[in-house]
Parts: sequence; structure tokens; C-alpha cells
Amino acid sequence: NAGVTQTPKFRVLKTGQSMTLLCAQDMNHEYMYWYRQDPGMGLRLIHYSVGEGTTAKGEVPDGYNVSRLKKQNFLLGLESAAPSQTSVYFCASSYDASRPEQYFGPGTRLTVT
Amino acid sequence: QQPVQSPQAVILREGEDAVINCSSSKALYSVHWYRQKHGEAPVFLMILLKGGEQKGHDKISASFNEKKQQSSLYLTASQLSYSGTYFCGTEGGNTPLVFGKGTRLSVIA
Repeated sequence: NAGVTQTPKFRVLKTGQSMTLLCAQDMNHEYMYWYRQDPGMGLRLIHYSVGEGTTAKGEVPDGYNVSRLKKQNFLLGLESAAPSQTSVYFCASSYDASRPEQYFGPGTRLTVT
Repeated sequence: QQPVQSPQAVILREGEDAVINCSSSKALYSVHWYRQKHGEAPVFLMILLKGGEQKGHDKISASFNEKKQQSSLYLTASQLSYSGTYFCGTEGGNTPLVFGKGTRLSVIA
């Protein structure tokens, strides 16, 4: 099992550019999450999904969109990147509410100049 | 609402003990604990459900006092491998996990 994988690992964008981060899991987990991690701020939830075709907003959803077209994939989109979106992005997944422990991907380091 | 962790940072010598606290202003259904080593992803340690239970994981254990809306993580006889940032995450029942800002633990020889 690969667990949770994220693509790409690093990316540099110019202000106004768009991009999509891909998260994939092979553990048949229902729930998937996108977090951003900034120094001293902990992990903040951007969006999450409790099943294929469903998404919901987290604490800091502005400037991001997500899609969960397949159970194993969760995509995070930035339509018009801003320097404030410079961060490390982590994807995570969990089985469901009965087994809520989360498994994290390796992260994507995004820099917006 | 983000739980509050204390202390923000702690330095230990090998073999010493440490306690990391996590408190919330909201009623809690469960508390998760994760550890993140530098440059790596967070890794799940344990989850505590309401009921005041205490759990253990090697020499790392935790307690959950739902009345006080607090959880504590206990690290005994610390090892170099315990170094990292520890995060608590709290759930209110129908809301997703909210993480604290983390406690940076450094264990030195």
C-alpha cells in the first residue's frame, strides 16, 4: 500500500496563476481532508469530504476549491494564486467516523511569488 | 475553535518526563494526538473518546477529562526519537477535527 500520496511535492507559482494539487489514497477511506500548515499556526483545515461526490468547507476555504469525483482522489485547486497562499499543504484521509484517525500524505510545498 | 496547547516548546534530556496539555473552550467528543518530525508529515499517536479514558502507547500515554475539556499527553523516560512537534486535535461531535498550534519537544543527549 502506498497510503496517501500527493502530487507535486514542490511548486512555485506567480501571483494570479492557477494550479491543482492531487491527493490519492489506496486505503478505501471515505473521508479526505486538505490542510495548510504555516509556521506557528498548526494545521488548518481548508476543505474536506465525507464521501465521493461530497465536499464541505473547513476553517480557511477562501481562495480554494476542491473536487472528489472518485473515492480515492481529492483535488485542491487554486484559481488565482496569491502570496498569502504560500504554505505547506497536507492531504489526509480516514476510514470513516467510526475510525477517525487520520493518515497524512507527505505534503506539497507551494511558494507564490 | 482552536484548542490551546501548553507549553509551546520544551527541551528535555534523555530519560526525563514531560507533559503536554490541550484545552478547549467547547465541549469535546474526542481528542486526537499526532506527532510531526521536522520535514515530515504528522503521524497519528492515539485518540481518546469522552468518558475520561486514559490510553498508552509505549511510554507515551494520554488522559482526557471531558468535564474540564482538557487532555494531557505524558511522555515518560524520553528518548531522542520523541523529538518533534506534538499536535492535539479536538472534535465536538458533528464538526471536523481542529488542531492546536503544536508543542515543540526537543530531547537532547
